[in-house]
Amino acid sequence: AQSVTQPDIHITVSEGASLELRCNYSYGATPYLFWYVQSPGQGLQLLLKYFSGDTLVQGIKGFEAEFKRSQSSFNLRKPSVHWSDAAEYFCAVGGLMKTSYDKVIFGPGTSLSVIP
Amino acid sequence: DGGITQSPKYLFRKEGQNVTLSCEQNLNHDAMYWYRQDPGQGLRLIYYSQIVNDFQKGDIAEGYSVSREKKESFPLTVTSAQKNPTAFYLCASSIDLDGGLKTQYFGPGTRLLVL
Repeated sequence: AQSVTQPDIHITVSEGASLELRCNYSYGATPYLFWYVQSPGQGLQLLLKYFSGDTLVQGIKGFEAEFKRSQSSFNLRKPSVHWSDAAEYFCAVGGLMKTSYDKVIFGPGTSLSVIP
Repeated sequence: DGGITQSPKYLFRKEGQNVTLSCEQNLNHDAMYWYRQDPGQGLRLIYYSQIVNDFQKGDIAEGYSVSREKKESFPLTVTSAQKNPTAFYLCASSIDLDGGLKTQYFGPGTRLLVL
């Protein structure tokens, strides 16, 4: 069955430190991949997406993600974290159905805390 | 500014009561979605609609109903049959870009609480 896992439920980093959030998926072909961010009590904001081409994708707010087919991974990175990056991060996989509706499956999320 | 609006921000339901959550978008997106979010879990799809006057059940449709009479509106009704309605409800819409990829954009959410 198709699935998305985010192995880290919660991560704490110091402000200015680098960040990597892990995402692994299970799917038989190349999926469409997304990272969203959610601040407390808010909706989800799209950070970046991948569907083809260059496997290193640049997003908003200084985030990037790398698609590694051999590892079925799509990890999110940021070289220097700001206190405002504290939020919940969701990895999502789409394009899993060969119909006009591309079902999107969301991972359970990783909560990021930033220490000043 | 284009976007997705959800109202109300907070909604209280009494036992046995039906309540309706509003979702409106002015992005001219064809498809709209409703998700439920519970603490520590990802999003679970309740219903989706690809075009006006058509909608399909998602993974957890029991106890919910929707309508899609206008392109810009996709209200969700939480019925009395939904025994555990307390959750954060997110509406999304999508546009077909990038050769078929439907990127979803989300509203700010409605938190439903049971009295």
